[in-house]
Amino acid sequence: DAKTTQPPSMDCAEGRAANLPCNHSTISGNEYVYWYRQIHSQGPQYIIHGLKNNETNEMASLIITEDRKSSTLILPHATLRDTAVYYCIALGGLSTDKLIFGTGTRLQVFP
Amino acid sequence: DTAVSQTPKYLVTQMGNDKSIKCEQNLGHDTMYWYKQDSKKFLKIMFSYNNKELIINETVPNRFSPKSPDKAHLNLHINSLELGDSAVYFCASSQLRSTDTQYFGPGTRLTVL
Repeated sequence: DAKTTQPPSMDCAEGRAANLPCNHSTISGNEYVYWYRQIHSQGPQYIIHGLKNNETNEMASLIITEDRKSSTLILPHATLRDTAVYYCIALGGLSTDKLIFGTGTRLQVFP
Repeated sequence: DTAVSQTPKYLVTQMGNDKSIKCEQNLGHDTMYWYKQDSKKFLKIMFSYNNKELIINETVPNRFSPKSPDKAHLNLHINSLELGDSAVYFCASSQLRSTDTQYFGPGTRLTVL
């Protein structure tokens, strides 16, 4: 079962920042927060991950609260191509750990 | 140039048949995975292989048998296909562990009639 909860859907205007929240109140100390997205009919795509500190890459920023019970994925300038289902996943480092995809957040970017 | 490729993209077959889906990655990764996405869009891991050795085997019917001839290939063979096997199957690979970035293939849509 997924250890994270996300809102089922969100809308965002093109060019604006999309802020996608994720709750992971039961995350353990050695588990990272991962974000993947799935654009319609395609395979999932890695976005970003973090443990404690905020992270930024060319795709997005990840803000993790100090208590690590929640995080926010930020797409700074959403485009229509960012319309997808976004998955927030808690994942540890054991070889038997696995990506567990929940229901995710369906982000609709509109013109 | 495709990092993770799958064939075929679409597969339509009758109940009771046996079919295979092939997956190849050219990223030099040691670990490969099979995921199933059902009609309700739930995406679940089925198997994980590290350097040809089975690491993760979720509760999957014995009719499903992964085969890894080498670390660049992980094929999925399905015996006695059932209606409930209809889904999209995704192959993925990562450097070593699940925590390494996983790269997914384009998926194979299997329809069992």
